[in-house]
Amino acid sequence: GQQLNQSPQSMFIQEGEDVSMNCTSSSIFNTWLWYKQDPGEGPVLLIALYKAGELTSNGRLTAQFGITRKDSFLNISASIPSDVGIYFCAGPTGGYSGAGSYQLTFGKGTKLSVIP
Amino acid sequence: DGGITQSPKYLFRKEGQNVTLSCEQNLNHDAMYWYRQDPGQGLRLIYYSQIVNDFQKGDIAEGYSVSREKKESFPLTVTSAQKNPTAFYLCASSMWSGREYNEQFFGPGTRLTVL
Repeated sequence: GQQLNQSPQSMFIQEGEDVSMNCTSSSIFNTWLWYKQDPGEGPVLLIALYKAGELTSNGRLTAQFGITRKDSFLNISASIPSDVGIYFCAGPTGGYSGAGSYQLTFGKGTKLSVIP
Repeated sequence: DGGITQSPKYLFRKEGQNVTLSCEQNLNHDAMYWYRQDPGQGLRLIYYSQIVNDFQKGDIAEGYSVSREKKESFPLTVTSAQKNPTAFYLCASSMWSGREYNEQFFGPGTRLTVL
């Protein structure tokens, strides 16, 4: 079945450092979504991307829709302790051919730990 | 404030008992979803509903049942047929149309522990 591969699986960084993570798929996507999940809580939508090459920011977060349509990247600048959590990427099940699909496929997440 | 509520936050049940998890939304969204999350795993789709009185199975529907009698509500029943029900359950909703229909918004989750 369709899979989204996120890397790295986990990372430990010092407060103030920048963070980069990515998500790749074997299928072409027309939408990429990035979520953050705090421990014991539901995921919160951070950024939605709808166009190849699109670069979108949300505060210290910046996400990009890869030109190949098979990948996406999330960067966090000047990390702070509250950035701790699991970051998930997601795309419509079936990739581009899934346009009209209400289902999302999720990656397994990147767990971020920030050392004060 | 608009949002999605799930209750209870923590739920304990004995093996062999059915249990129903509540999910309510006041976002006026047409589509609603149930996911299961296990430690270190992504989210797996159990059931989803695009309109009232209609729902479809997701990837792991066996041992679960749902109903959609009202637009605002999408309860999930974990039956005794579910072999490994202990997990974190998440409810979500999204719009019906427009390019944002893939943007799903999640509730706070219910952690179910079967003893």
